[in-house]
Amino acid sequence: GAVVSQHPSWVICKSGTSVKIECRSLDFQATTMFWYRQFPKQSLMLMATSNEGSKATYEQGVEKDKFLINHASLTLSTLTVTSAHPEDSSFYICSARVVRANQPQHFGDGTRLSIL
Amino acid sequence: KQEVTQIPAALSVPEGENLVLNCSFTDSAIYNLQWFRQDPGKGLTSLLLIQSSQREQTSGRLNASLDKSSGRSTLYIAASQPGDSATYLCKGSGSRLTFGEGTQLTVNP
Repeated sequence: GAVVSQHPSWVICKSGTSVKIECRSLDFQATTMFWYRQFPKQSLMLMATSNEGSKATYEQGVEKDKFLINHASLTLSTLTVTSAHPEDSSFYICSARVVRANQPQHFGDGTRLSIL
Repeated sequence: KQEVTQIPAALSVPEGENLVLNCSFTDSAIYNLQWFRQDPGKGLTSLLLIQSSQREQTSGRLNASLDKSSGRSTLYIAASQPGDSATYLCKGSGSRLTFGEGTQLTVNP
């Protein structure tokens, strides 16, 4: 089946650091990738949708200068949390899908980000 | 914006019981509906995908149904096992991609 690899799985860093999270589709071409954030005991909240070669579409309330998304190839999207602060600590999950909207989304295993 | 509601929020059952998880959504213009499970601290595992033209899908002990007209989907788990304990999430794929809050299932040995 389709596999999405997310790296790293756990990050602990100091406040003010920028952190990059990678999301790769290993055996299919992901024209669309999605980034979610999940706080403890809450559901996933969509942050942004990125299409390969285009600028990401951010959800309302998500700062695009804070959360930089790059989807430069059909198998890789990156999320960079710039100048991270403790309130950015969360579980970040990516998912990927082929071009057609009726196809399933495949999820990575998530990245737990802890900002000290 | 698509609103997705899952009932119940939490469910605890003894091993062997059959159970039903409910998902309702406000926007019937969905392409498909997916059911996932999430184990604590982990990502999502896709369980079943129902296309908008389908009414149900089955995989092993799992059966998911979709009624677009009423905006509802159910996930039926037969003969539940302790390994089924997880949070179950539904997600509609349409104009807005939204998750429900999930049902936290505990199956007791």
